[in-house]
Amino acid sequence: QKEVEQNSGPLSVPEGAIASLNCTYSDRGSQSFFWYRQYSGKSPELIMFIYSNGDKEDGRFTAQLNKASQYVSLLIRDSQPSDSATYLCAVNGGEKLTFGTGTRLTIIP
Amino acid sequence: KAGVTQTPRYLIKTRGQQVTLSCSPISGHRSVSWYQQTPGQGLQFLFEYFSETQRNKGNFPGRFSGRQFSNSRSEMNVSTLELGDSALYLCASSISRTGSLPGNTIYFGEGSWLTVV
Repeated sequence: QKEVEQNSGPLSVPEGAIASLNCTYSDRGSQSFFWYRQYSGKSPELIMFIYSNGDKEDGRFTAQLNKASQYVSLLIRDSQPSDSATYLCAVNGGEKLTFGTGTRLTIIP
Repeated sequence: KAGVTQTPRYLIKTRGQQVTLSCSPISGHRSVSWYQQTPGQGLQFLFEYFSETQRNKGNFPGRFSGRQFSNSRSEMNVSTLELGDSALYLCASSISRTGSLPGNTIYFGEGSWLTVV
C-alpha cells in the first residue's frame, strides 16, 4: 500500500463547478497535510495546509481533514480554466514530507 | 522577499559524469530538502539538511549526496550518472525542520532539469 494515495485522473470539471480532490494516507501518526498545485513544466506551489480535523477555507479553496478515516480533500469552488493543473497531496508523518502522485485536473470552459 | 533559487535550471550530462546542483533557500529558512520528480515515480524525497547536518535521507543510492553550508545554501551531487537519473530536481526550503511544527511549510524552487544522455 502506498503511503499517500491520490486518484491520478484526469478529472474533468465544467467551469464554475466544484472540483473535489481526494487523498488518503496510511500513517495514522501523520500530523500535517498540504496541498500543492503544479502546472505543467513548473514547480509545485503551496495552496494551503491543514492539521486539525474539519474544514479550512481560503478563498475558493477548502481543505477537509478526517484523521479517523485517514483522508484529506481539497474543494475548489467556482472552478476556473486557470485551475487546470496537477494537484499534489503531501503528508507530514514526522520527519519527512511524503507526496502522492497527484491528480490531474482539467477545467472545461 | 526572494524565493528559493536553484541553479542551473537546465543541464545535459553524459552517462558516467557527475553533476552538482545548487540551491539558495528563502532568507531566514534554515532547512533545505531535495526531491527528485519523474513522470513515473512522482516526487521522491532525497534528503533534508538543517544546520549543516543531514537530518533525513530517502531511499536513493549513495551516488546521491548533498551538503549544506553555514549560510543555509545547499548543494546536491550525483556521481556516475545513469540514464534513469534524468529528472526534475527540486529544492525546497522551510523555516524549521520537517515535522518540528504543525504548519511548517516547504516552498519549492523552480527546479533543475537534468537530462542524462
